[in-house]
Amino acid sequence: QKEVEQDPGPLSVPEGAIVSLNCTYSNSAFQYFMWYRQYSRKGPELLMYTYSSGNKEDGRFTAQVDKSSKYISLFIRDSQPSDSATYLCAMSGSGSARQLTFGSGTQLTVLP
Amino acid sequence: EAQVTQNPRYLITVTGKKLTVTCSQNMNHEYMSWYRQDPGLGLRQIYYSMNVEVTDKGDVPEGYKVSRKEKRNFPLILESPSPNQTSLYFCASSFAGTNNSPLHFGNGTRLTVT
Repeated sequence: QKEVEQDPGPLSVPEGAIVSLNCTYSNSAFQYFMWYRQYSRKGPELLMYTYSSGNKEDGRFTAQVDKSSKYISLFIRDSQPSDSATYLCAMSGSGSARQLTFGSGTQLTVLP
Repeated sequence: EAQVTQNPRYLITVTGKKLTVTCSQNMNHEYMSWYRQDPGLGLRQIYYSMNVEVTDKGDVPEGYKVSRKEKRNFPLILESPSPNQTSLYFCASSFAGTNNSPLHFGNGTRLTVT
């Protein structure tokens, strides 16, 4: 069993829809949780960063962490075609970037 | 423009022919790292470097070498490539090797070993 599980999709939604992307994990030591966005033929870029449990909002994006369920989510409101990308969750149990564990990514397409 | 630059973007080679993928960052970052990305497996760390002359193995280091002689450069060396090293490779850097220091990724090198 992988430490981090992420549904690969693909996921297609109409423009304006609310998108929910999720990851589950098995390592209870994970404390740092990130979402990266990866456009086709590009490297991943950091989208959201949260520490421990709770919610964090940034514009149309909201990241949620539920450590009791070992479940993290990324919500995208009013989705746009420019949001079409692969979304990778990543997490770590310490302060070291060396120990970052990535999910395999969910491919999202927002249809105009 | 602040960036991580990898070269080449695409590389096709044959088994056993030594190759080097270069990585350079212009942000004066201390931490640099190499990942490979394979379908269904996500990003897996190959090697990382906390600073000049300091390198260490990641999760999948077999068949790879790295060096960090200068702060800005972190080349990945495959001395005898094999087909199972066919993959998409990413170099990344951050100001410090901690999780509150975001990783900046290059645009990737797609390697095919025949």
